[in-house]
Amino acid sequence: AQTVTQSQPEMSVQEAETVTLSCTYDTSESDYYLFWYKQPPSRQMILVIRQEAYKQQNATENRFSVNFQKAAKSFSLKISDSQLGDAAMYFCAYRSGQETSGSRLTFGEGTQLTVNP
Amino acid sequence: NAGVMQNPRHLVRRRGQEARLRCSPMKGHSHVYWYRQLPEEGLKFMVYLQKENIIDESGMPKERFSAEFPKEGPSILRIQQVVRGDSAAYFCASSLGGAQNSPLHFGNGTRLTVT
Repeated sequence: AQTVTQSQPEMSVQEAETVTLSCTYDTSESDYYLFWYKQPPSRQMILVIRQEAYKQQNATENRFSVNFQKAAKSFSLKISDSQLGDAAMYFCAYRSGQETSGSRLTFGEGTQLTVNP
Repeated sequence: NAGVMQNPRHLVRRRGQEARLRCSPMKGHSHVYWYRQLPEEGLKFMVYLQKENIIDESGMPKERFSAEFPKEGPSILRIQQVVRGDSAAYFCASSLGGAQNSPLHFGNGTRLTVT
C-alpha cells in the first residue's frame, strides 16, 4: 500500500517570503500522480498543483512550484511571495496510475501553514 | 455549473442514532468517493462508487457503515448506531471518469458531531 508522509505538522512564514513544505511517499509503482491540496478554515479542499510521475519537469502554478525527486520519492511544495491568503492546512496526496484505483487519493497528515504579516 | 454539493453542512446525532450524509456530484460525473477526516488528521479514503455499483470499499468500516449511489439521486453515506468516535468531517468527491487524468472535485464536507 502507498503511504504519504508530511513531517512538518506546522510551518510559518513572513508575508512576501518563501516557504517550502515537505512530502515523501512510498510506492512500488512507477506510474502515479502527486498533488498538493490546500484546506482553509472553510474546509474546502482546493487543488493547488499536480505532478505526473512520468514528467521530469517540475510543475509550476504562478507562485506555487514543486520539487519532484522521483528516485528519492520526495515531492515538496514551494510557495513564493507568500500572502496572507495562503494560510491554510496543506495536504500532499498520491494517486495510483492503475485503472482499478480510479481517482482515489492517499493523503498525508497535513502541514498547517501560518503567514505572519 | 454547480460543484459537488454535500448536505447537511453540520449534523448532530446522539449516540445510537443513524446519520445520513448526502452528496450530489458535479453534473455529468458518475464516479463518487467518500473520505473521512478526523480532527487534526488528513483525509482517509472510505469508499469509491459508480452509479449503482460499489467499486472499492476497502476503507470503510465493516460494521455500521454503508454507502450507495443509486441510478437517480445523490450518493448516500449511512452510519448506523453512531458512536462518539464517528465524529469527523466527511468529504465527498466526484470525477467524470475513473481514469487517472480525470480530476477530482471535492464538496465542502459534512461535519458530524456525536453527543
